[in-house]
Amino acid sequence: AQKITQTQPGMFVQEKEAVTLDCTYDTSDPSYGLFWYKQPSSGEMIFLIYQGSYDQQNATEGRYSLNFQKARKSANLVISASQLGDSAMYFCAMREGRAAGNKLTFGGGTRVLVKP
Amino acid sequence: NAGVMQNPRHLVRRRGQEARLRCSPVKGHSHVYWYRQLPEEGLKFMVYLQKENIIDESGMPKERFSAEFPKEGPSILRIQQVVRGDSAAYFCASSPRSGENTEAFFGQGTRLTVV
Repeated sequence: AQKITQTQPGMFVQEKEAVTLDCTYDTSDPSYGLFWYKQPSSGEMIFLIYQGSYDQQNATEGRYSLNFQKARKSANLVISASQLGDSAMYFCAMREGRAAGNKLTFGGGTRVLVKP
Repeated sequence: NAGVMQNPRHLVRRRGQEARLRCSPVKGHSHVYWYRQLPEEGLKFMVYLQKENIIDESGMPKERFSAEFPKEGPSILRIQQVVRGDSAAYFCASSPRSGENTEAFFGQGTRLTVV
């Protein structure tokens, strides 16, 4: 079974609108962390936001927020007020266990294209 | 205040040659992780090293690939006798510890092209 599933290969979003990127995960470890990354066409991996499995509140970082639904094993990324510069690939990733450090499992990604 | 530094950014090798990819972690970080990204795919974990030790190499191909993180100097990912299928982007991340890190910063990657 896939550990991290991103079911949307690509999405269009109108500038200034919000967009939700889906991510579901599969783990039996009670301690895990969920990460989202942005990869623009230039290729670098830009860390956006983190959610720990024991965190009581949804993580937020500026225009990024994470809709964490633990029972559903989902960790959707919400980008509010989309900008043209948000056009990129977005990856969800998971760390399992307490000693894994930065050993992450990545999903296949979602390509977002922001339209003016 | 440098982040994770990888070089070279781009590397072209002919089939059968060796490729050496370097990763300098964030200052003070003693844990390094290597990942490979094939075109249109997510990153795949390859190997996790602490200074002078390989902690987890479960994602490393059994042949031709090796990694080291010496006491002094950068971490090196070495690919011997490269083949076309090795063409990919190789990313490195670092961390100060092995626990429940809440951030994972990557270098800019090395894009290997095998011709």
